[in-house]
Amino acid sequence: DVKVTQSSRYLVKRTGEKVFLECVQDMDHENMFWYRQDPGLGLRLIYFSYDVKMKEKGDIPEGYSVSREKKERFSLILESASTNQTSMYLCASSFGGASRDTEAFFGQGTRLTVV
Amino acid sequence: GENVEQHPSTLSVQEGDSAVIKCTYSDSASNYFPWYKQELGKGPQLIIDIRSNVGEKKDQRIAVTLNKTAKHFSLHITETQPEDSAVYFCAAGRGGSQGNLIFGKGTKLSVKP
Repeated sequence: DVKVTQSSRYLVKRTGEKVFLECVQDMDHENMFWYRQDPGLGLRLIYFSYDVKMKEKGDIPEGYSVSREKKERFSLILESASTNQTSMYLCASSFGGASRDTEAFFGQGTRLTVV
Repeated sequence: GENVEQHPSTLSVQEGDSAVIKCTYSDSASNYFPWYKQELGKGPQLIIDIRSNVGEKKDQRIAVTLNKTAKHFSLHITETQPEDSAVYFCAAGRGGSQGNLIFGKGTKLSVKP
């Protein structure tokens, strides 16, 4: 079974802190994604990556950055956390290459509260 | 930009009844339409998907239909059970962007025993 593991289920951080959310997948997937989920807004794409050291902006990248130094790991960074970044963050991975659209596997989510 | 509209936002049915959730999409280049189920405290999980070369797909009590001309696709759950209670998301593959999905805002389905 594919496993996508997010390092924390719950996080509480202070305004202005630099925050790292970590995600690891164990199926050698090329594609990795970070979404945020807010009530009534569904899942919105923050950043994604098709390969090591590659990154692409999603729909709401402002205030975030990412890092992909190894194929299995994709990190989301909040440079200076703000209260409007309080949300559920979901990491996902999928097989890439010649198969363009394939199932995305999600982690369990990290609920981040910025106070 | 591209978007996916999903209706209704909440749906309550009696156990044994059918449930239908409808989505429309705007990107004409979309060719992949998955549906995800999210149970409380968990990440979304794929339950069924359909590609643009197929009009309907069924898996036991779950079926999905696609009308590419009208840019509509729907999820049908028959003989609903309490364990079907969850939030359901439709999504559309973003044309020209490998593996990139646009999600609807979700439908909270409640199945009453």
